[in-house]
Formats: sequence, C-alpha cells, structure tokens
Amino acid sequence: AQTVTQSQPEMSVQEAETVTLSCTYDTSESDYYLFWYKQPPSRQMILVIRQEAYKQQNATENRFSVNFQKAAKSFSLKISDSQLGDAAMYFCASASQGAQKLVFGQGTRLTINP
Amino acid sequence: EAEVAQSPRYKITEKSQAVAFWCDPISGHATLYWYRQILGQGPELLVQFQDESVVDDSQLPKDRFSAERLKGVDSTLKIQPAELGDSAMYLCASSFSTRGKNIQYFGAGTRLSVL
Repeated sequence: AQTVTQSQPEMSVQEAETVTLSCTYDTSESDYYLFWYKQPPSRQMILVIRQEAYKQQNATENRFSVNFQKAAKSFSLKISDSQLGDAAMYFCASASQGAQKLVFGQGTRLTINP
Repeated sequence: EAEVAQSPRYKITEKSQAVAFWCDPISGHATLYWYRQILGQGPELLVQFQDESVVDDSQLPKDRFSAERLKGVDSTLKIQPAELGDSAMYLCASSFSTRGKNIQYFGAGTRLSVL
C-alpha cells in the first residue's frame, strides 16, 4: 500500500519570495510516479508537476521545481518568485505503474502575502 | 480547452434521501475516477472505471453507494440513503489510459451537504 504524508498544514510566503512544501511517501512499488496538484478555492484541481521515480533528474516546470530524494522517500515542491495566484491547497500524490489511482497527502494550504 | 464536467456544483439533502452526481469526462479519456474529499483532507478514490468496466471499487461503501458508466462515456455516482458522514466534495477525474504516468484531469466537484 502507498501512503503520502504532508507535515505542513499551512504555509505562508511573501510575494516574490521562494517557498518549499514538504512531502514524504512510502511505497513497496519499484515503478511509481509522484505528483503535486494545486487546488485553488472553489476551482478544480490541476497538475503542477510530475516526477517519474526512475528518473534521477528533478522535474522543473517554470517557477515550480521538485527535490526528489528517492532513498529518503522525500518529494518537496519549491515555488520560486511566488505570485498571488499561487495561493491554494497543494496536494502531494503518488501512483504506481500498475494501479493508476492517486494516493493523496493531507494537503498544505499556501498563503501568499502581498 | 477540454474539461471534465460535473453537476450539480452544490447539493443539499436531508439524511436518508437519495442523491446522484453526474460526470462527463474529457472526450477520448477511457479511464474515469470518482474521489471523495472530506473537508481538510486529501481526496480518496471511491471507484475507477476503464471504459464501462469497474477496475477498482474497493473503497466504495457498496451498501449505499453505486456507480455506473453504462456507455463508457459519462458516469453517475449515487448515494442511497445519504448519511451525515457523507458530507464532502465528490470529485470526478479522467485520464487517457490506466498507465500510472498518465495525468488525471479533475472536474470542479460536487459539494454535498447532508442535513
């Protein structure tokens, strides 16, 4: 079984600053994928970034990057140059190759201070 | 841009009543998921369809919940009878296939309040 843990219920950052959201996971699968999803208030959840576990290189999408530490089972999200539109709930999730269902963490509410 | 459509957006019902939620996935997406998200928590999978077949319903409370995707396109999730503990956001998602790397696209959800 897979589990995902987000230990930061809330985080805040000043606009234009950098913030890192933490995530740890546990899985017995050898082939799996990790995701960060963003859920703005009253809007649908959207994918921020995806990491394939077999790839050592950390994924990057514009201002969003991850620090994937496979041995430590850690998958943190770094948001650079934070913008007001980044305010949302952020969920870390995992999926195995064989069973695509997403297993989510509890979420981190990110507030951007102007 | 194609989106996953869900209706209604909000539903208020009384305990013991029946409720139904509808989802229309992105065109061409064979895999459809229903998740339940209790306030302050991450979503949890209720049921997964591949075309019209159920792939995983291990977390679906089958005594009161049912789901169908008769023609392999849109889907309906039903609760009968509703209980107070069913108050939550019900999210539908779809993806092109069942491979783990495929991105799931989510609808805006149906927020259910059971009184």
